[in-house]
Amino acid sequence: DAKTTQPTSMDCAEGRAANLPCNHSTISGNEYVYWYRQIHSQGPQYIIHGLKNNETNEMASLIITEDRKSSTLILPHATLRDTAVYYCIVRFSNAGGTSYGKLTFGQGTILTVHP
Amino acid sequence: NAGVTQTPKFQVLKTGQSMTLQCAQDMNHNSMYWYRQDPGMGLRLIYYSASEGTTDKGEVPNGYNVSRLNKREFSLRLESAAPSQTSVYFCASLRLAGGIDTQYFGPGTRLTVL
Repeated sequence: DAKTTQPTSMDCAEGRAANLPCNHSTISGNEYVYWYRQIHSQGPQYIIHGLKNNETNEMASLIITEDRKSSTLILPHATLRDTAVYYCIVRFSNAGGTSYGKLTFGQGTILTVHP
Repeated sequence: NAGVTQTPKFQVLKTGQSMTLQCAQDMNHNSMYWYRQDPGMGLRLIYYSASEGTTDKGEVPNGYNVSRLNKREFSLRLESAAPSQTSVYFCASLRLAGGIDTQYFGPGTRLTVL
């Protein structure tokens, strides 16, 4: 799986957009970008994933650069409940063999949303 | 749907004691996982079960055993607990749809070994 680099922490004002960057310069052609988040004392929660195109769902938007070496997770209107650690994970989807479905979590970005 | 449930929520053990952490999912998922998370760290995979009847080691399996009792349940056993196993343990199950897999996590078990 490709290595990812994320800022250690970020702040955002409530109601504003939170833009969380992720660098994955060694990503290979078949690897997806996944985002999960972990709110304090809870289990991680899937947010969104993408391969090449930008993606949007009810939680967030994912912008992937044309060369796929970086991406940005966008929370369009951050709320206090979005305060969490956000993990960017690059991996093959539906991976088989010894790493079946395995998620490798790095340190992530601590997002703090302020009133 | 309850999703992924874990019991107990909290546990304190003495060194050398044994215990089993229980996990169940009601989403009819084939694959299940056990992770541990130490303070200030990301999650690390202990064991996983790709399907009922199979289990495989993850990144940090030493000191643990698992049982995939049926499709719903996947338990984690500590035979002789050590202080280094103080951690938060998360169970997850995997949804596979359209070639994309996503994991659903339980609320965690907070284990302290004295």
